[in-house]
Amino acid sequence: GQQLNQSPQSMFIQEGEDVSMNCTSSSIFNTWLWYKQDPGEGPVLLIALYKAGELTSNGRLTAQFGTTRKDSFLNISASIPSDVGIYFCAGRSRVNTDKLIFGTGTRLQVFP
Amino acid sequence: GAGVSQSPSNKVTEKGKDVELRCDPISGHTALYWYRQSLGQGLEFLIYFQGNSAPDKSGLPSDRFSAERTGGSVSTLTIQRTQQEDSAVYLCASSPRSASYEQYFGPGTRLTVT
Repeated sequence: GQQLNQSPQSMFIQEGEDVSMNCTSSSIFNTWLWYKQDPGEGPVLLIALYKAGELTSNGRLTAQFGTTRKDSFLNISASIPSDVGIYFCAGRSRVNTDKLIFGTGTRLQVFP
Repeated sequence: GAGVSQSPSNKVTEKGKDVELRCDPISGHTALYWYRQSLGQGLEFLIYFQGNSAPDKSGLPSDRFSAERTGGSVSTLTIQRTQQEDSAVYLCASSPRSASYEQYFGPGTRLTVT
């Protein structure tokens, strides 16, 4: 099935560092979502974006809806050990709003 | 309140056997989704139920896969004649209404086909 391209695939960082990851698609989306998945758990919604250019924060997390409507970015500031996990972007198209298309994930490791 | 629950949490089966995976959505949620997550991959959409409407089966990878939702609540995903490539985590999500981003995920069932 269709998937979004997400990069980087994995990141290994020191505690306190900032993190950036992005997601791109060949299709236009009207909603971009970012989820985090902890081991053995289902994904949990972090941030939802609804308009091109929108910038939304949730604590140390900030996400942006790209102006082309084909990409999105997630930044994590001052990383802490509990940020470890897999981060997925997901998009909702204008054509079929009932489905989410997920990115391939960014695996984040934080070292103390 | 209780979240989405799935059972079993882990299932090991021999190639060729049939398996059933269960999902209990959040009470009152009308939409239910099944996804498959293979190692190193994102979430692959399988099937979507919304109320009493015919399900969207467009993501099912083969006719060995089927799903039912009884009484608008519990759902069962069945895989017949399992193959090794079916090994994955199967995630269920529910949503309070269609066309909603508010998908709440269960913990998943890890299926291993030997």
